[in-house]
Amino acid sequence: GENVEQHPSTLSVQEGDSAVIKCTYSDSASNYFPWYKQELGKRPQLIIDIRSNVGEKKDQRIAVTLNKTAKHFSLHITETQPEDSAVYFCAAQPGSGYSTLTFGKGTMLLVSP
Amino acid sequence: GAVVSQHPSWVICKSGTSVKIECRSLDFQATTMFWYRQFPKQSLMLMATSNEGSKATYEQGVEKDKFLINHASLTLSTLTVTSAHPEDSSFYICSARDNRGWNEQYFGPGTRLTVT
Repeated sequence: GENVEQHPSTLSVQEGDSAVIKCTYSDSASNYFPWYKQELGKRPQLIIDIRSNVGEKKDQRIAVTLNKTAKHFSLHITETQPEDSAVYFCAAQPGSGYSTLTFGKGTMLLVSP
Repeated sequence: GAVVSQHPSWVICKSGTSVKIECRSLDFQATTMFWYRQFPKQSLMLMATSNEGSKATYEQGVEKDKFLINHASLTLSTLTVTSAHPEDSSFYICSARDNRGWNEQYFGPGTRLTVT
């Protein structure tokens, strides 16, 4: 089955800096890669996703890149703000869209004012 | 939008009792819903895939007789924790797959279960 590795487990940055979280996956059939943000005690929220037919996607301060050859994808947050502090999970899903997501272990991002 | 609700948000029960958790997709139909368990400071662990009108598919190591799943309609899946024990205390989160677009998954707000 799919295996997703996520690094780092914790990331501390100063407000205004950029943050990068990296994930690798094992199943070359995976073609959907969402990122979720989870605040303490709350639900994971989908913040951005990318499919295997594109290499990069951007939404305001958030961007995701995908390298299918190397089987890794990354989340980039620019101009970080304290409200970006949360746990971020990457995930990978193989197949036609009717299979399950495999999650990384999560990255706790702390943005200091 | 794609909104998923979950009820109750928290519940405390005594050992040996059963607890039912509901997951609803409010503005879309979901043929597939998922049940996850999350321990503090850990990732989401998939317990089972709930398919409307058919039996749920359980992940390895998850007892299907203990965690009963029913997906009786396109907007409702339920998880019943039977004969609960303190080790079942956890954060249970459901998600629903939105088939209207690209099959994104949207999560419910979670249920905090405490078994005393």
